[in-house]
Amino acid sequence: NAGVTQTPKFRILKIGQSMTLQCTQDMNHNYMYWYRQDPGMGLKLIYYSVGAGITDKGEVPNGYNVSRSTTEDFPLRLELAAPSQTSVYFCASIPGQGAYEQYFGPGTRLTVT
Amino acid sequence: AQKVTQAQTEISVVEKEDVTLDCVYETRDTTYYLFWYKQPPSGELVFLIRRNSFDEQNEISGRYSWNFQKSTSSFNFTITASQVVDSAVYFCALSGSGTGFQKLVFGTGTRLLVSP
Repeated sequence: NAGVTQTPKFRILKIGQSMTLQCTQDMNHNYMYWYRQDPGMGLKLIYYSVGAGITDKGEVPNGYNVSRSTTEDFPLRLELAAPSQTSVYFCASIPGQGAYEQYFGPGTRLTVT
Repeated sequence: AQKVTQAQTEISVVEKEDVTLDCVYETRDTTYYLFWYKQPPSGELVFLIRRNSFDEQNEISGRYSWNFQKSTSSFNFTITASQVVDSAVYFCALSGSGTGFQKLVFGTGTRLLVSP
């Protein structure tokens, strides 16, 4: 199993550009999450999904969109990039409701200038 | 509201010293889970331990040990005989029925620097 994979690893965007951060897991997990980690801070939840076709907002959803058309994939979309979105983005997954640790991807480092 | 506080921003020790990282949490849930994750300089998040609210037994894994005290809402992490490879940022996190769907609330992390 590859676990949770994220692409790209690094990206530099200009203000106003759009991009999609990809997240894929091959563990057949139902629950998936997107977090952002700002410098010197902990992770904050952006969006999450409890299954294909079901998504909901986390703590800091503004400026982002998600979709979940398959169990495996949970892409995160930035429509109009802003410098405040400069961060490291982590995707995570768990099998479902229960006492599971979250499996994290390696992260995507995004800079918006 | 769910909250995790890691008051120690950065700790510096010399190799072989013992070090304790503090974690204090707030929740109104009776059932909840506490976690510790390690983030080495390479940036990935490494799971260390999960503890549920009904299990207050301390746990030891090699040089690592965890002390869970519901009376003080704390879940502290001790590294015995620290090594340079322990240098990392350590995060404490909480999930419970109040967060729903196993969403994690993270502390701001403690950066541990172990020098030779």
